[in-house]
Amino acid sequence: DVKVTQSSRYLVKRTGEKVFLECVQDMDHENMFWYRQDPGLGLRLIYFSYDVKMKEKGDIPEGYSVSREKKERFSLILESASTNQTSMYLCASKQGYNQPQHFGDGTRLSIL
Amino acid sequence: QKEVEQNSGPLSVPEGAIASLNCTYSDRGSQSFFWYRQYSGKSPELIMFIYSNGDKEDGRFTAQLNKASQYVSLLIRDSQPSDSATYLCAAPSGAGSYQLTFGKGTKLSVIP
Repeated sequence: DVKVTQSSRYLVKRTGEKVFLECVQDMDHENMFWYRQDPGLGLRLIYFSYDVKMKEKGDIPEGYSVSREKKERFSLILESASTNQTSMYLCASKQGYNQPQHFGDGTRLSIL
Repeated sequence: QKEVEQNSGPLSVPEGAIASLNCTYSDRGSQSFFWYRQYSGKSPELIMFIYSNGDKEDGRFTAQLNKASQYVSLLIRDSQPSDSATYLCAAPSGAGSYQLTFGKGTKLSVIP
């Protein structure tokens, strides 16, 4: 089974802080994704990566950056956290084009 | 912009009945479709995928794909209260894309 591990289930930070969310997958998948999910808005893609050191902006990249130094790890960075970034953050990975995405357990982030 | 549309529900069915969840998609070139189940506060979990026209059965779940009409459905037979969740439909975001476009989900409630 694919295992996608997110570093924290719950996280509370203050506005202006730099926040790091970590995601690790154990299946040697090429592609990794970061989403946020808010009530009524569904899953929204923030960034994705199709290879080490490669990244592409998703639908809502503003206020976020990412890092992929190793194939198994994809980090999401909130450069200066704001209250409107309070959300559930979900990491996913997949291999080929017609393959499903596999999600981690999610991080519920609160910015105070 | 590729679209995946779902009725948001809630859809309520009595225990033991068949629950029918529907999804339409805009991209005629889509070749693979995925159904995820998401319990409240949890991350999406893959339950079915389908690539070919027709039906695919897995236990109490049946996925149906009609490419001519551009819809995909999920049938849950002998519905149980534990099936109460939000069901997300997803399809590739375009030809050659590794991204998935997700519907906003249909909330299913199975009434004991």
